[in-house]
Amino acid sequence: DTGVSQDPRHKITKRGQNVTFRCDPISEHNRLYWYRQTLGQGPEFLTYFQNEAQLEKSRLLSDRFSAERPKGSFSTLEIQRTEQGDSAMYLCASSTAGNNEKLFFGSGTQLSVL
Amino acid sequence: DAKTTQPTSMDCAEGRAANLPCNHSTISGNEYVYWYRQIHSQGPQYIIHGLKNNETNEMASLIITEDRKSSTLILPHATLRDTAVYYCMGAPNFNKFYFGSGTKLNVKP
Repeated sequence: DTGVSQDPRHKITKRGQNVTFRCDPISEHNRLYWYRQTLGQGPEFLTYFQNEAQLEKSRLLSDRFSAERPKGSFSTLEIQRTEQGDSAMYLCASSTAGNNEKLFFGSGTQLSVL
Repeated sequence: DAKTTQPTSMDCAEGRAANLPCNHSTISGNEYVYWYRQIHSQGPQYIIHGLKNNETNEMASLIITEDRKSSTLILPHATLRDTAVYYCMGAPNFNKFYFGSGTKLNVKP
């Protein structure tokens, strides 16, 4: 399978714990995006990378959130001191920058904070 | 980024054409109109995009009005597997994509 892979699919954690999600993009894609989606809403943009550079972060991304993409390949999204409001689906997408950019999404990581 | 307006939900009979409208009156000249869909519990899936001209691919057709203020996604022969939330958005080149709340399409037997 050469699609976007996200791990884990589901994560249950207690409030105050740290969690880390991983995304493996399609290998030739130089852009990688993170989105968050809550029930009944469309995906909300969090941040994106071009190669290893993090080019933009949403105001939604508080100081407790950090994302990395070392070497421009896989990416990790870490949430520190989780809160119940962080419960959501975290989606990763990758693409090739250009006029006809198309995002290819993974199946997401469903986070539940108890 | 262009703001988009879509109906909250629509019904369509299986085998009939599904026509999903989208208003994007604030779209700028360099923004493409993109359509994605999201089937329950999956990540969004790219359908089609266009700038000015109508577009067709194996999944759907996209009709963009001449003033580019609105568009219609057409699924020519809807099946039960097309039941999903459909998102329309305007996206500038080389930049991020903003999803709205989309249209929930219910395809009924």
